[in-house]
Amino acid sequence: AQSVTQLGSHVSVSEGALVLLRCNYSSSVPPYLFWYVQYPNQGLQLLLKYTSAATLVKGINGFEAEFKKSETSFHLTKPSAHMSDAAEYFCAVKGNYGQNFVFGPGTRLSVLP
Amino acid sequence: DTAVSQTPKYLVTQMGNDKSIKCEQNLGHDTMYWYKQDSKKFLKIMFSYNNKELIINETVPNRFSPKSPDKAHLNLHINSLELGDSAVYFCASSLTVNEQFFGPGTRLTVL
Repeated sequence: AQSVTQLGSHVSVSEGALVLLRCNYSSSVPPYLFWYVQYPNQGLQLLLKYTSAATLVKGINGFEAEFKKSETSFHLTKPSAHMSDAAEYFCAVKGNYGQNFVFGPGTRLSVLP
Repeated sequence: DTAVSQTPKYLVTQMGNDKSIKCEQNLGHDTMYWYKQDSKKFLKIMFSYNNKELIINETVPNRFSPKSPDKAHLNLHINSLELGDSAVYFCASSLTVNEQFFGPGTRLTVL
């Protein structure tokens, strides 16, 4: 069975600081991995996805994530946080044999001025 | 143009009532989903459906039933609403293994 853990339900960074949101997964098959962002009172929006091509994936709004098979991780980073990055971030995994998407519990990112 | 739309955006109702939430996607996707997001933001898949197969999360009460009149629509019908059903419900769609596209959500409040 697939599962996703996100270390830290709440992360606070200062504006301009590095953002690091952690995601670890377990999957019995080669996974597809995703990061979604949810702004207040909105639906989820895709930030980036890994689908077995390049291990370093660049997404929208300056975010990127690196797939590390040996660590079963797919951490999300951004070099410099902006106030508008404050939101809830979800990591998700999907197997490539018809399995459903499985979402992590989410990490709330706060950006301090 | 909106890719995945849901109506209504807000739904307030009394316990015991029956209600429906509508979802439409204009992306030509073959699979649609319903998720429940609780007050702690945890996302739980309720159903996934394509034109061949309905997959039900076994933890979902049978008071919840998806209804798909056609490939572009997957409505959620809820019978005998309970206080614990209060949540935000998201519809989503996808094409094979690609990412899911989410609707804006429907905030259901059961009084």
